[in-house]
Amino acid sequence: SQQGEEDPQALSIQEGENATMNCSYKTSINNLQWYRQNSGRGLVHLILIRSNEREKHSGRLRVTLDTSKKSSSLLITASRAADTASYFCATLRATNKLIFGTGTLLAVQP
Amino acid sequence: DAGVIQSPRHEVTEMGQEVTLRCKPISGHDYLFWYRQTMMRGLELLIYFNNNVPIDDSGMPEDRFSAKMPNASFSTLKIQPSEPRDSAVYFCASRDRGSLNYGYTFGSGTRLTVV
Repeated sequence: SQQGEEDPQALSIQEGENATMNCSYKTSINNLQWYRQNSGRGLVHLILIRSNEREKHSGRLRVTLDTSKKSSSLLITASRAADTASYFCATLRATNKLIFGTGTLLAVQP
Repeated sequence: DAGVIQSPRHEVTEMGQEVTLRCKPISGHDYLFWYRQTMMRGLELLIYFNNNVPIDDSGMPEDRFSAKMPNASFSTLKIQPSEPRDSAVYFCASRDRGSLNYGYTFGSGTRLTVV
């Protein structure tokens, strides 16, 4: 499969806690992106990190990228019930294809 | 901007029927992508266009699937004949050529059920 792998597949935490999701991929990339998908809805772009960057922040989101290990992590700090959703990493290849991982289902309990 | 607009939102059809899904990308975006999402296979890239020209259709599952982009503001994905295994959510996404380091904008999807 060309897809990346994400872990965990599912994560349940309490409101206020931090959530960490990991993504591994197989080929060289231009950038890596994270998307959120609420149940029954489309995908929403959250944050993008370029292949020459190691860390990026956006509000409560922190993304890291380790190209030597072909892995990335997404940290959501101070989680809220509204953060409950599926989170996908996606890698942009030189072929201009954006390939998605398998996703992590995050449940934030109020 | 209204974003990427897909229609219909839901489609239920009988096996063997032709199905046409529609997408209107964001004005000015010159890349358009069609994805399919299922529980078993996740999100799969089917085909993408640049300036209305199909660039890579290697993800199209078989000849029953075809996609066109007759102009910069409209694309269709057609399945003929449809089969139950085509049941999925089909997403359209677009991006600007100049925004390689920006994310894609996705439509709300079309949920297709083939019975």
